[in-house]
Amino acid sequence: AQSVAQPEDQVNVAEGNPLTVKCTYSVSGNPYLFWYVQYPNRGLQFLLKYITGDNLVKGSYGFEAEFNKSQTSFHLKKPSALVSDSALYFCAVRDMEDSNYQLIWGAGTKLIIKP
Amino acid sequence: DGGITQSPKYLFRKEGQNVTLSCEQNLNHDAMYWYRQDPGQGLRLIYYSQIVNDFQKGDIAEGYSVSREKKESFPLTVTSAQKNPTAFYLCASRGRNRNSGNTIYFGEGSWLTVV
Repeated sequence: AQSVAQPEDQVNVAEGNPLTVKCTYSVSGNPYLFWYVQYPNRGLQFLLKYITGDNLVKGSYGFEAEFNKSQTSFHLKKPSALVSDSALYFCAVRDMEDSNYQLIWGAGTKLIIKP
Repeated sequence: DGGITQSPKYLFRKEGQNVTLSCEQNLNHDAMYWYRQDPGQGLRLIYYSQIVNDFQKGDIAEGYSVSREKKESFPLTVTSAQKNPTAFYLCASRGRNRNSGNTIYFGEGSWLTVV
């Protein structure tokens, strides 16, 4: 069965420190992987995606994520956190061969950046 | 501006009433989606449509109905059969560019509250 796990409900980081939000996945075929961010009372904003090629993907607002096939992970990272990065982050995966194009969503991780 | 417009942002429903949430997109996307998000929770798929005049049930379709008469529009009706409709509703759409990984983009969401 296809699934996405975000093992941490909440991540707390001091401003200026590096941050990591974890995501692991399970699909039967090759994955498309996505990260989205949600600010309070707003829709989800697309941050970055992995389709193929370079395992390190760079996205919006200085975020990046590394695809690790052997560990089936796609952790979101940022070298230096900002207070404005505080938000809810969602990881999602789609099986490349899924003709229904359905995304499987993680439960979300609340990121809190403290000044 | 290109994007996905959801209206109204806030809606109150009385017991036994049907209400309709609007979703319009001018991105020329073929596929559209409705998700439900409960406070502090992840996304659950209600309905999706891959093409005009066709739609499919998602994981929690009971108590909801949709139509897709136009490519641009995918309204969601929350019927009186939905016993716990208070939630944040998100509309999304996806283009058909396979090389882009078929990224899903979201509207700003609509809050529905039962009074």
